[in-house]
Amino acid sequence: LAKTTQPISMDSYEGQEVNITCSHNNIATNDYITWYQQFPSQGPRFIIQGYKTKVTNEVASLFIPADRKSSTLSLPRVSLSDTAVYYCLVGVEGYSTLTFGKGTMLLVSP
Amino acid sequence: DAGVTQSPTHLIKTRGQHVTLRCSPISGHKSVSWYQQVLGQGPQFIFQYYEKEERGRGNFPDRFSARQFPNYSSELNVNALLLGDSALYLCASSFINSGSYEQYFGPGTRLTVT
Repeated sequence: LAKTTQPISMDSYEGQEVNITCSHNNIATNDYITWYQQFPSQGPRFIIQGYKTKVTNEVASLFIPADRKSSTLSLPRVSLSDTAVYYCLVGVEGYSTLTFGKGTMLLVSP
Repeated sequence: DAGVTQSPTHLIKTRGQHVTLRCSPISGHKSVSWYQQVLGQGPQFIFQYYEKEERGRGNFPDRFSARQFPNYSSELNVNALLLGDSALYLCASSFINSGSYEQYFGPGTRLTVT
């Protein structure tokens, strides 16, 4: 599975757009990019998944450049409740084992 | 609809003891996976079961074992507990063994070994 690198932490204010970038230089041709969110003392929650270009859902957008060596999770107009750890995962869709790194701790302040 | 449920919520054990953690998947999900999450780290994969068979195993010692029952619920067993086994144990279920990277996690069981 491709190794991912993301910032350890990020700070933001309510109402701002937050972009978290993940580097995955060794991504394989059939790998998908998936993001999970985790609040303290809770299990991770699936946010979004993509293969290339842009994916958008009601929660976030995922931007993937043509070379797919990085990806950016975009959270529009964050609120205090978006304070959490965000994990970027890379692997084959359908691969049943999720490999988590340390994630990015996002702190949203008033 | 009920999500993934786990029991107990919290547990305190002594070194050398045995522990059993339980998980009930979302109705209709046949795949259950177990993860260990120590403080400050991301979850680490322990086991995956599908249709009552082990389909994947992470880099954990043989003290860790699991099984899945006909109703797709699952148990994780850890023998000869060590202090380092203190962690949040997460169970995740998914609809099918392959086809989606989306897994649904339970709230976890917080295990403290003293």
